[in-house]
Amino acid sequence: GDSVTQMEGPVTLSEEAFLTINCTYTATGYPSLFWYVQYPGEGLQLLLKATKADDKGSNKGFEATYRKETTSFHLEKGSVQVSDSAVYFCALSGGAGSYQLTFGKGTKLSVIP
Amino acid sequence: EAGVVQSPRYKIIEKKQPVAFWCNPISGHNTLYWYRQNLGQGPELLIRYENEEAVDDSQLPKDRFSAERLKGVDSTLKIQPAELGDSAVYLCASSLSGNQPQHFGDGTRLSIL
Repeated sequence: GDSVTQMEGPVTLSEEAFLTINCTYTATGYPSLFWYVQYPGEGLQLLLKATKADDKGSNKGFEATYRKETTSFHLEKGSVQVSDSAVYFCALSGGAGSYQLTFGKGTKLSVIP
Repeated sequence: EAGVVQSPRYKIIEKKQPVAFWCNPISGHNTLYWYRQNLGQGPELLIRYENEEAVDDSQLPKDRFSAERLKGVDSTLKIQPAELGDSAVYLCASSLSGNQPQHFGDGTRLSIL
């Protein structure tokens, strides 16, 4: 079945540091890929998405590129802020014709001033 | 637009008691999802509705869990009787249709004593 593997956390960075959270996937067909963010006590918010190979999703300074050859969708941000502290989930859907979202386990990011 | 609304936000019950969660999706969203998120994990799909029809309930533990979406709008998820292992956050999400981005509510955090 479909699966998503993302780097284990927690990740602690200083403000203005560069962020990379690795995500790789296994899926049949041509899935869409997503990053969701979950702030403490809240539900998940869609951060960005990409629907086909080589697409780049971007939002709020975050970026991720759909790499079919390496089955990866790594999340990056050039300069993190304290307000970026949250849990980040990589997810896919449509891998086997299914609209079900399959999530990774999440990576907790803490940004310190 | 108003987001996905869930209630209650928190629920504490003793094991073997029944419990119910309510979800009101974004207006006009035909597809509704219930997810369970265990501590430190990503959400896992329990059931998906297209309008009032449950089109994917393969992950729903049917011996104790039930769900309904009678008029194709709001939905209720019930557990009877609750077990210790049911402690989790129950998330509701909705989308315009099955292949559109999902919007999540803030979830109901269930604690079983």
